Amino acid sequence: EVQLVESGGGLVQPGRSLKLSCVASGFTFSNYGMNWIRQAPGKGLEWVAYISSGSSYIYYAETVKGRFTISRDNAKNTLYLQMTSLRSEDTALYYCANHQRGYWGQGVMVTVSS
Amino acid sequence: DIQMTQSPSSISVSLGDRFTITCRASQDIGNYLSWYQQKPEKSPKLMIYRATNLEDGVPSRFSGSRSGSDYSLTINSLESEDTGIYFCLQHKQYPLTFGSGTKLEIK
Repeated sequence: EVQLVESGGGLVQPGRSLKLSCVASGFTFSNYGMNWIRQAPGKGLEWVAYISSGSSYIYYAETVKGRFTISRDNAKNTLYLQMTSLRSEDTALYYCANHQRGYWGQGVMVTVSS
Repeated sequence: DIQMTQSPSSISVSLGDRFTITCRASQDIGNYLSWYQQKPEKSPKLMIYRATNLEDGVPSRFSGSRSGSDYSLTINSLESEDTGIYFCLQHKQYPLTFGSGTKLEIK
């Protein structure tokens, strides 16, 4: 059974940092590109970042470029999202996902508020 | 960026009826389109991939089609379990972009 389990979310003040993790199991993680996708409360889905299977290709949404860093450790089957200079508009449920296979985690909530 | 214009935004449909949702792509996406269903407090569930392919385990009353830049999801003979929000996703190029979603309710 495929599982993606996100962690690391929480309440953080504007301007601070947070690092999300996503542990994968049930498939060969190292073979797949992965994404972070977020959903603000009551809103639609917004793609955040992508990393290829071997980390050679990395893309970011303009809204997070320069503030967020996506990375992965294939030996640990883990995807990361380092978020810095957080803003209130970053408040959302963050999913790790492989959209092509339809693999999504349950999401982790990040709330940016003073 | 590729814009995905989804319609309708919400609809109430009777059990047993047929229902279609459409996403229009602002540029060619060459069938790189998926349809997802999302229920409250749940992760999105892949229903259709590459525009017309039914994901394993998805009931055959769901189908996907394409006409030019318009991509459609059709549900034949609506069942109560089909309620939720449906959205399209284009993955022809990054940034990935989503339709705004369609909320389906039972009348």
